[in-house]
Amino acid sequence: DAGITQSPRHKVTETGTPVTLRCHQTENHRYMYWYRQDPGHGLRLIHYSYGVKDTDKGEVSDGYSVSRSKTEDFLLTLESATSSQTSVYFCAISEVADLGAGGNEQFFGPGTRLTVL
Amino acid sequence: AQSVTQLGSHVSVSEGALVLLRCNYSSSVPPYLFWYVQYPNQGLQLLLKYTTGATLVKGINGFEAEFKKSETSFHLTKPSAHMSDAAEYFCAVSDAGDDKIIFGKGTRLHILP
Repeated sequence: DAGITQSPRHKVTETGTPVTLRCHQTENHRYMYWYRQDPGHGLRLIHYSYGVKDTDKGEVSDGYSVSRSKTEDFLLTLESATSSQTSVYFCAISEVADLGAGGNEQFFGPGTRLTVL
Repeated sequence: AQSVTQLGSHVSVSEGALVLLRCNYSSSVPPYLFWYVQYPNQGLQLLLKYTTGATLVKGINGFEAEFKKSETSFHLTKPSAHMSDAAEYFCAVSDAGDDKIIFGKGTRLHILP
């Protein structure tokens, strides 16, 4: 199994509070991704990173920010959590054999279940 | 833009019967295609992927999928279902030159005893 951990694994918080989720990898992979999974929507990309300090927005980035100061860590922050951000959040990593070639599989972490009351 | 359609959010098959999960994609260029499986309370695991070459792709746990360009399909099959196959399955697509993957909404597979 790819070495990916997510913390915390479960969190309950209140509307309006800031929340930070952490993804840590031991594979030294270049790409890291944050997804949210909701019933009926599958997985939707929030943000991704293609290197230290290099990040870009995904499909559902509003209300989220990310940071990557080290290769191994990718943080997802909800500045002011809302009930619509209740979800399961997955981190994924990918290595790029051929830059820009595509087709690179992603390896997923175990997920963080976030509940915003 | 890429998109993936999985037909049927829930599929039920009897143990020992054929498993067929349908996936159609929309892509303007030859895509890369994936099937992932998610067991309860776990992350996603790659079952198989198609990049180039042979259109019939074999994956783990006895699953296989066939890339049919003319039908823009990448259906997942397994000849004989086992109880352990009960899970959610996601079809996904990535275009050449794109390091992002677009996932379908998933199909939950139920195995009936």
